[in-house]
Amino acid sequence: QVQLLQSGAEVKKPGSSVKVSCKASGGAFSGYAINWVRQAPGQGLEWMGGIIPIFGTTNYAQEFQGRVTVTTDESTSTAYMELSRLRSEDTAVYYCANSGYYGSGFDPWGQGTLVIVSS
Amino acid sequence: IQMTQSPSSLSASVGDRVTITCRASQNISNYLNWYQQKPGTAPQLLIYTTSSLQSGVPSRFSGSGSGTDFTLAISSLQPEDFATYFCQQTFSTPHNFGQGTKLEIK
Repeated sequence: QVQLLQSGAEVKKPGSSVKVSCKASGGAFSGYAINWVRQAPGQGLEWMGGIIPIFGTTNYAQEFQGRVTVTTDESTSTAYMELSRLRSEDTAVYYCANSGYYGSGFDPWGQGTLVIVSS
Repeated sequence: IQMTQSPSSLSASVGDRVTITCRASQNISNYLNWYQQKPGTAPQLLIYTTSSLQSGVPSRFSGSGSGTDFTLAISSLQPEDFATYFCQQTFSTPHNFGQGTKLEIK
């Protein structure tokens, strides 16, 4: 079964950018889309955006439009989420998650990457 | 599409039957999923498209509903079920989640 392995924790300054990676173990992305979801400390889940690797098409939540970029590198089966102009409110755990097909639930999820934004 | 879960927290005992509801702000057909999350871990898919049980999930979990109103039921609570539960719609983007229901031991 495919697993998603994310990069390690990051500490960033306000105004900077962070790029989180998500590698599909066992080979190519096997699903329909890779999604990015974040969870601020003690808070709920927030869908940020996603990419359909086979088409390269992306879709972002309006809240993150202009600040987030999701990409994939098919040669390494790795997805990336870059968030720019970081602010303290972006401190959260960031997850990647696979959609098996259009409309499906998200499974599996990566283990999460903690991003701390602090001066 | 806004997703509203209730209750936000729930206290119950081992062996109890509990239900959590999720309401969508518009018709999402059956594109409703449920997740369980334990502290410090990623969410895990329990039920997809309203009522389909994800592989490996115990049969005490069930889902129902359609359109705008959905329910997650746990028939006989086990100690490992005490966690936070989220609903999510995948009818259209953004794939919003409910605010979560924290299930605690009474």
